[in-house]
Amino acid sequence: GAGVSQSPRYKVAKRGQDVALRCDPISGHVSLFWYQQALGQGPEFLTYFQNEAQLDKSGLPSDRFFAERPEGSVSTLKIQRTQQEDSAVYLCASSPRTGVVQPQHFGDGTRLSIL
Amino acid sequence: TQLLEQSPQFLSIQEGENLTVYCNSSSVFSSLQWYRQEPGEGPVLLVTVVTGGEVKKLKRLTFQFGDARKDSSLHITAAQPGDTGLYLCAPTTSGTYKYIFGTGTRLKVLA
Repeated sequence: GAGVSQSPRYKVAKRGQDVALRCDPISGHVSLFWYQQALGQGPEFLTYFQNEAQLDKSGLPSDRFFAERPEGSVSTLKIQRTQQEDSAVYLCASSPRTGVVQPQHFGDGTRLSIL
Repeated sequence: TQLLEQSPQFLSIQEGENLTVYCNSSSVFSSLQWYRQEPGEGPVLLVTVVTGGEVKKLKRLTFQFGDARKDSSLHITAAQPGDTGLYLCAPTTSGTYKYIFGTGTRLKVLA
């Protein structure tokens, strides 16, 4: 389909390993968001891209978290030296334009489990 | 820091009943979105409200934005099992790209 695609759907890693999560937004969408959703909670904002520019990374929990969108389309969220508290669902969303009153189209997320 | 509260946290009702869920904050919002999320899936946008006092209807769902733009409600008439899910409100404030999601109301409609 033409929706937001995230891969992998499930990722299991040992504590201390690095992981990379991929997001393919809807083609042509300018805005891209990453969220972290813990079990039983709502999504928490991590970072925002407008095209290739990362305009807000205030939600990234530590310097172990890094996100990029080098060509303004596909985005990758990387977590280095993973810890158990990083276990969560990571959601990506894209919007067609900038501005806050825009619909966010979410992917189905990557469920990350750190052992 | 904006404090956002959704209530109730959990709701289990019989098919055909009516219900209302709430989203409240200490801050004034510039707009607010409601989403529904089903297990294993991402949230899906239901509605965006922008104007204080605004009421929007989507079939059996009625959304209201408070006059002071600090709160919102979602009313479902004659609930159906297909309405089961996590209902999330996500307000925004002017000058920011961020959507702050509430913890949600988990609704279960029993057949």
